[in-house]
This record gives sequence, structure tokens and C-alpha cells, in this order.
Amino acid sequence: EVQLVESGGGLVQPGRSLKLSCAASGFTFSNYYMAWVRQAPKKGLEWVATISTSGSRTYYPDSVKGRFTISRDNAKSSLYLQMNSLKSEDTATYYCARRPITPYWYFDFWGPGTMVTVSS
Amino acid sequence: VQMTQSPSYLAASPGESVSISCKASKSISNNLAWYQEKPGKANKLLIHSGSTLQSGTPSRFSGSGSGTDFTLTIRSLESEDFAVYYCQQYNEYPPVTFGSGTKLEIK
Repeated sequence: EVQLVESGGGLVQPGRSLKLSCAASGFTFSNYYMAWVRQAPKKGLEWVATISTSGSRTYYPDSVKGRFTISRDNAKSSLYLQMNSLKSEDTATYYCARRPITPYWYFDFWGPGTMVTVSS
Repeated sequence: VQMTQSPSYLAASPGESVSISCKASKSISNNLAWYQEKPGKANKLLIHSGSTLQSGTPSRFSGSGSGTDFTLTIRSLESEDFAVYYCQQYNEYPPVTFGSGTKLEIK
């Protein structure tokens, strides 16, 4: 059974950093692109980052480019999101998601999410 | 690509059928997915490629459309179907973009 479990969320002050983790199991992690998607309170879903199977290619929207870094450790079946220079608008539930093995950018499995609150 | 989803709120009774619309700001071929969001549960992929049911999606769900106009239809609503539904385009990326969501509630 595919499982994705995020951790690392919490309350952080504006301008500070936070690193999220996602533990994957039930599939060959190294074969799949992975992504982070977030949802601000009472808002819709927003794609945050995607990483290739080897980690050599990463993709970000303009809203987080230069502040967030996605990475992975295939040996540990783990995905990470380093978030720097956090802003109040980064307050959201962050989901780890798997892109299917076909080269299409939808997400076939999601984690339950971890909440990040950016506030002083 | 901007995705406009409607309605934002929908109330229906078990056994009824409902439809949710998703419109893209430009043609996205059939590169559209639908997801279901329920409290306390991971988001679930229902449909991809506009109309292909993901493994495990009940047959009462169907997707249609191509180009700019898409529809998610749920026939014979069951209690477990009351949730929030999102569309997502993946024709042009990055970024992939989502609709604003439709909350389906019990009437």
C-alpha cells in the first residue's frame, strides 16, 4: 500500500526557516517524480515544487522560487522541503504527492498533510 | 492556465446526480484531473486524462470534456461522496494549476 506521511510542520516566525519531510513507503520511491502541494486556510490547492527521480531537476512556481528548495534521499525513501524567508502567506497545510510513472503532472497519491503557520 | 470551477457550493440528496464544471482559460487538450478532498483523509485522485477513472474510483463517477470545458458527474450520490472536489490541469507546466474547489454537501 502506498503511504506518504509528512512531518515537520509547526509555528514559525516570519523570516525564519522550516524543513518539512515526507516518508514514503509501499512503492519504489526512486522511480517516481515527487511534489509538494499546499493549501492555505479556506483556500484552494497550490503546487509548490516538483523534483525528478534522481533529484537533478527541480521546478517551482514564482511564488516560492528562490526561497523553497525541494530535495530527496532515495536511499531513505524521503522527500524534503526546505522553506526559507517564510512569509505569512506561506501559512498552509503542505502535502507530499506522487506523480505517476507516466510523464504527466497530476498526482496519484497524497499524504495527509502537515500544517505550517507563519506568525509572530 | 487559469482554471475556473463552478459551482463553488452544491447541495444534493443521496441518490441524486450532480455535475461540476471546470473551465480552462486556454485549451488543455484532455490533460485534466479530478480530486476528492475529505476531512482527515489524504486527497484522492478520481479521474485523469479528462475521463479515465483511476483504479478504485467507483463507476458512478465520470468525467467528460476536452479543450477548455470539462465536467465531473456523480450519479446516484452516496453518503461518502459528500466532499470537496478539485480539478487540475497538467497540459502546460510548470506550473500545474487547480480549480478553486466545489464543496458538495448533503441537502
